[in-house]
Amino acid sequence: GQNIDQPTEMTATEGAIVQINCTYQTSGFNGLFWYQQHAGEAPTFLSYNVLDGLEEKGRFSSFLSRSKGYSYLLLKELQMKDSASYLCASIDSNYQLIWGAGTKLIIKP
Amino acid sequence: IAGITQAPTSQILAAGRRMTLRCTQDMRHNAMYWYRQDLGLGLRLIHYSNTAGTTGKGEVPDGYSVSRANTDDFPLTLASAVPSQTSVYFCASSGDGTDYNEQFFGPGTRLTVL
Repeated sequence: GQNIDQPTEMTATEGAIVQINCTYQTSGFNGLFWYQQHAGEAPTFLSYNVLDGLEEKGRFSSFLSRSKGYSYLLLKELQMKDSASYLCASIDSNYQLIWGAGTKLIIKP
Repeated sequence: IAGITQAPTSQILAAGRRMTLRCTQDMRHNAMYWYRQDLGLGLRLIHYSNTAGTTGKGEVPDGYSVSRANTDDFPLTLASAVPSQTSVYFCASSGDGTDYNEQFFGPGTRLTVL
């Protein structure tokens, strides 16, 4: 079957670094997305990985290991506005997205 | 219009009633999608359309229908609403449903079926 696993909730301190992990089992894997979703709002795109390795974009970085079925999102210099849910989604052989349930990130001062 | 819009923003509906959720995009994207999002679950695909004139079933299509008469509009219809269809519904679009493309989401419709 197809499955995405990510932690339900994480807590971190303002100014710190946090890593949100995602594991997937996806047939015909074609890449992986990370989206951010603030409470009551729509998801917005953060990153896309299709090759192994790290993609860095400002304070946010995303890593992919295809052989391990594993990705993580790294957030540096955390700000209060980073409090949100972070959604991991893999792309299957039909180019449909398989979504994880999301990780709610709570930032404390 | 800038991007993708949905209407209504929220709706309370009696069970058994028919309801159409509207979605319009002005980005000339070929592919459009309808998802529902429930607490503790990931976004689940209801129906999709890779191009105007074609539609396909997603993971949870039962009780829902869609049409794609043109590029811009992708309405979702609940023929006879049931309480289990209470959810937040998101419409999304992407440039080309046959290859990688970032999906852009509308603001969502919060639907309550009583």
